[in-house]
Amino acid sequence: DVKVTQSSRYLVKRTGEKVFLECVQDMDHENMFWYRQDPGLGLRLIYFSYDVKMKEKGDIPEGYSVSREKKERFSLILESASTNQTSMYLCASSDNGEKLFFGSGTQLSVL
Amino acid sequence: GEDVEQSLFLSVREGDSSVINCTYTDSSSTYLYWYKQEPGAGLQLLTYIFSNMDMKQDQRLTVLLNKKDKHLSLRIADTQTGDSAIYFCAESTGANNLFFGTGTRLTVIP
Repeated sequence: DVKVTQSSRYLVKRTGEKVFLECVQDMDHENMFWYRQDPGLGLRLIYFSYDVKMKEKGDIPEGYSVSREKKERFSLILESASTNQTSMYLCASSDNGEKLFFGSGTQLSVL
Repeated sequence: GEDVEQSLFLSVREGDSSVINCTYTDSSSTYLYWYKQEPGAGLQLLTYIFSNMDMKQDQRLTVLLNKKDKHLSLRIADTQTGDSAIYFCAESTGANNLFFGTGTRLTVIP
Protein backbone atom coordinates (compact mmCIF):
# COMPACT_ATOMS: atom_id res chain seq x y z
CA ASP A 1 0.00 0.00 0.00
CA VAL A 2 1.09 3.55 -0.68
CA LYS A 3 2.07 5.42 2.42
CA VAL A 4 2.03 9.21 2.54
CA THR A 5 3.25 10.55 5.87
CA GLN A 6 2.80 14.07 7.12
CA SER A 7 5.18 14.95 9.93
CA SER A 8 2.71 16.66 12.26
CA ARG A 9 -0.92 15.95 13.02
CA TYR A 10 -1.50 19.25 14.82
CA LEU A 11 0.52 22.46 14.81
CA VAL A 12 -0.01 25.74 16.62
CA LYS A 13 2.02 28.73 15.45
CA ARG A 14 2.02 32.46 15.99
CA THR A 15 1.37 35.14 13.39
CA GLY A 16 4.57 35.99 11.52
CA GLU A 17 6.34 32.70 12.23
CA LYS A 18 7.90 30.66 9.43
CA VAL A 19 6.18 27.28 9.21
CA PHE A 20 7.36 24.08 7.54
CA LEU A 21 4.98 21.25 6.75
CA GLU A 22 6.71 18.06 5.68
CA CYS A 23 5.39 15.21 3.59
CA VAL A 24 7.07 11.94 2.63
CA GLN A 25 5.84 9.19 0.29
CA ASP A 26 7.27 5.72 -0.07
CA MET A 27 6.07 4.66 -3.53
CA ASP A 28 8.52 6.48 -5.78
CA HIS A 29 5.72 8.63 -7.18
CA GLU A 30 6.64 11.41 -9.56
CA ASN A 31 3.84 13.76 -8.58
CA MET A 32 3.18 15.32 -5.20
CA PHE A 33 0.57 17.85 -4.14
CA TRP A 34 -0.34 20.20 -1.31
CA TYR A 35 -3.99 21.07 -0.69
CA ARG A 36 -5.75 23.00 2.00
CA GLN A 37 -9.20 21.98 3.18
CA ASP A 38 -11.69 24.46 4.61
CA PRO A 39 -15.34 23.82 5.54
CA GLY A 40 -17.69 24.50 2.65
CA LEU A 41 -14.80 25.08 0.23
CA GLY A 42 -13.59 21.53 -0.27
CA LEU A 43 -9.99 21.00 -1.31
CA ARG A 44 -8.02 23.75 -2.97
CA LEU A 45 -4.68 23.08 -4.63
CA ILE A 46 -1.80 25.20 -3.36
CA TYR A 47 1.18 23.77 -5.27
CA PHE A 48 2.17 20.57 -6.97
CA SER A 49 5.41 19.06 -8.18
CA TYR A 50 5.88 16.62 -11.07
CA ASP A 51 9.59 15.98 -10.54
CA VAL A 52 12.46 16.78 -8.23
CA LYS A 53 13.12 20.53 -8.08
CA MET A 54 10.07 21.16 -10.28
CA LYS A 55 7.01 22.95 -8.98
CA GLU A 56 3.82 24.44 -10.34
CA LYS A 57 1.40 26.86 -8.74
CA GLY A 58 -2.06 25.61 -8.01
CA ASP A 59 -5.19 27.67 -7.46
CA ILE A 60 -4.15 29.45 -4.25
CA PRO A 61 -0.33 29.74 -4.06
CA GLU A 62 -0.21 33.19 -2.46
CA GLY A 63 1.52 33.18 0.91
CA TYR A 64 3.07 29.73 0.32
CA SER A 65 6.17 28.24 -1.21
CA VAL A 66 7.32 24.64 -1.68
CA SER A 67 10.50 22.63 -1.88
CA ARG A 68 11.19 19.28 -3.55
CA GLU A 69 14.87 18.44 -3.13
CA LYS A 70 14.29 14.68 -3.06
CA LYS A 71 11.69 12.63 -4.89
CA GLU A 72 10.08 11.27 -1.77
CA ARG A 73 9.78 14.55 0.12
CA PHE A 74 7.64 17.61 -0.59
CA SER A 75 7.64 20.51 1.85
CA LEU A 76 5.15 23.34 2.17
CA ILE A 77 6.49 26.60 3.60
CA LEU A 78 4.56 29.48 5.06
CA GLU A 79 7.09 32.32 5.04
CA SER A 80 5.15 34.46 7.50
CA ALA A 81 2.10 32.71 8.88
CA SER A 82 -1.17 34.63 9.06
CA THR A 83 -4.44 33.80 10.80
CA ASN A 84 -6.19 33.20 7.45
CA GLN A 85 -3.81 30.29 6.90
CA THR A 86 -5.40 28.38 9.75
CA SER A 87 -6.62 25.27 7.97
CA MET A 88 -6.24 21.54 7.41
CA TYR A 89 -3.33 20.86 5.05
CA LEU A 90 -3.33 17.67 3.02
CA CYS A 91 -0.42 16.23 1.10
CA ALA A 92 -0.93 13.71 -1.70
CA SER A 93 1.17 11.75 -4.16
CA SER A 94 0.43 10.07 -7.47
CA ASP A 95 2.26 8.08 -10.11
CA ASN A 96 0.14 9.36 -13.01
CA GLY A 97 -1.09 12.70 -11.71
CA GLU A 98 -4.68 11.47 -11.59
CA LYS A 99 -5.28 8.90 -8.86
CA LEU A 100 -4.11 10.52 -5.62
CA PHE A 101 -3.07 8.99 -2.33
CA PHE A 102 -3.39 11.28 0.66
CA GLY A 103 -1.65 11.70 3.98
CA SER A 104 -3.69 12.02 7.15
CA GLY A 105 -3.44 15.80 7.21
CA THR A 106 -1.96 18.53 9.40
CA GLN A 107 -4.35 20.80 11.27
CA LEU A 108 -2.55 24.14 11.51
CA SER A 109 -3.75 26.88 13.83
CA VAL A 110 -2.18 30.33 13.52
CA LEU A 111 -2.80 32.53 16.55
CA GLY B 1 -11.19 26.45 -13.06
CA GLU B 2 -13.42 23.44 -13.30
CA ASP B 3 -16.65 23.51 -11.31
CA VAL B 4 -17.58 20.37 -9.36
CA GLU B 5 -20.65 20.64 -7.15
CA GLN B 6 -22.08 18.53 -4.36
CA SER B 7 -24.69 19.11 -1.71
CA LEU B 8 -23.09 19.65 1.69
CA PHE B 9 -25.13 17.31 3.89
CA LEU B 10 -27.02 14.03 3.71
CA SER B 11 -28.64 12.06 6.52
CA VAL B 12 -29.89 8.48 6.20
CA ARG B 13 -31.07 5.77 8.57
CA GLU B 14 -28.90 2.75 9.19
CA GLY B 15 -29.79 -0.01 6.73
CA ASP B 16 -31.16 2.37 4.09
CA SER B 17 -29.39 3.22 0.84
CA SER B 18 -27.49 6.48 0.51
CA VAL B 19 -27.14 8.33 -2.76
CA ILE B 20 -24.57 11.09 -3.00
CA ASN B 21 -24.72 13.25 -6.12
CA CYS B 22 -22.15 15.30 -7.96
CA THR B 23 -22.27 17.51 -11.04
CA TYR B 24 -19.36 18.81 -13.06
CA THR B 25 -18.93 21.15 -15.99
CA ASP B 26 -15.97 19.94 -18.07
CA SER B 27 -16.91 17.34 -20.67
CA SER B 28 -13.28 16.34 -21.30
CA SER B 29 -12.97 14.35 -18.09
CA THR B 30 -10.95 11.13 -18.17
CA TYR B 31 -11.69 9.65 -14.75
CA LEU B 32 -14.13 10.52 -11.99
CA TYR B 33 -13.37 9.59 -8.41
CA TRP B 34 -15.05 9.20 -5.06
CA TYR B 35 -12.95 9.78 -1.96
CA LYS B 36 -13.98 9.18 1.65
CA GLN B 37 -12.70 11.21 4.58
CA GLU B 38 -13.34 9.86 8.05
CA PRO B 39 -13.16 12.24 11.03
CA GLY B 40 -9.62 13.47 11.69
CA ALA B 41 -8.15 11.63 8.72
CA GLY B 42 -6.99 12.30 5.19
CA LEU B 43 -8.86 11.29 2.05
CA GLN B 44 -9.06 7.66 1.05
CA LEU B 45 -9.77 6.64 -2.54
CA LEU B 46 -13.06 4.74 -2.45
CA THR B 47 -13.74 4.00 -6.10
CA TYR B 48 -13.43 5.51 -9.53
CA ILE B 49 -14.94 5.22 -12.98
CA PHE B 50 -13.49 5.77 -16.41
CA SER B 51 -15.38 8.40 -18.35
CA ASN B 52 -16.54 6.01 -21.07
CA MET B 53 -18.33 3.78 -18.56
CA ASP B 54 -21.91 4.18 -17.31
CA MET B 55 -21.76 2.15 -14.16
CA LYS B 56 -19.35 0.44 -11.82
CA GLN B 57 -20.26 -1.80 -8.91
CA ASP B 58 -18.00 -2.78 -6.06
CA GLN B 59 -19.69 -4.67 -3.21
CA ARG B 60 -22.02 -2.15 -1.50
CA LEU B 61 -20.93 0.70 -3.74
CA THR B 62 -22.48 1.57 -7.11
CA VAL B 63 -21.18 4.46 -9.20
CA LEU B 64 -23.40 5.82 -11.96
CA LEU B 65 -22.16 8.24 -14.59
CA ASN B 66 -24.43 10.21 -16.90
CA LYS B 67 -21.95 11.86 -19.19
CA LYS B 68 -24.60 13.72 -21.17
CA ASP B 69 -25.87 15.46 -18.04
CA LYS B 70 -22.39 15.56 -16.42
CA HIS B 71 -23.79 13.87 -13.35
CA LEU B 72 -22.04 11.35 -11.12
CA SER B 73 -23.58 9.51 -8.20
CA LEU B 74 -22.42 7.15 -5.49
CA ARG B 75 -24.91 4.73 -4.02
CA ILE B 76 -24.09 2.95 -0.78
CA ALA B 77 -26.36 -0.01 -0.11
CA ASP B 78 -27.26 -1.05 3.45
CA THR B 79 -25.60 2.05 4.93
CA GLN B 80 -23.81 1.45 8.23
CA THR B 81 -22.72 3.85 10.98
CA GLY B 82 -19.13 3.30 9.84
CA ASP B 83 -20.06 4.92 6.53
CA SER B 84 -20.50 8.27 8.29
CA ALA B 85 -17.86 10.50 6.70
CA ILE B 86 -17.34 13.26 4.17
CA TYR B 87 -17.47 12.04 0.57
CA PHE B 88 -15.65 13.99 -2.12
CA CYS B 89 -16.31 13.72 -5.80
CA ALA B 90 -13.34 14.57 -8.06
CA GLU B 91 -12.97 14.97 -11.79
CA SER B 92 -9.74 14.48 -13.70
CA THR B 93 -9.16 16.05 -17.10
CA GLY B 94 -5.59 14.76 -17.40
CA ALA B 95 -2.40 14.47 -15.42
CA ASN B 96 -2.23 17.00 -12.59
CA ASN B 97 -5.67 18.36 -13.45
CA LEU B 98 -7.89 17.06 -10.69
CA PHE B 99 -10.82 19.08 -9.38
CA PHE B 100 -12.60 18.31 -6.14
CA GLY B 101 -16.13 19.06 -5.06
CA THR B 102 -16.88 20.65 -1.69
CA GLY B 103 -17.65 17.29 -0.10
CA THR B 104 -20.91 15.81 1.21
CA ARG B 105 -21.09 15.02 4.90
CA LEU B 106 -23.01 11.76 5.30
CA THR B 107 -24.57 11.17 8.71
CA VAL B 108 -25.96 7.70 9.41
CA ILE B 109 -28.65 7.64 12.08
CA PRO B 110 -28.79 4.42 14.13
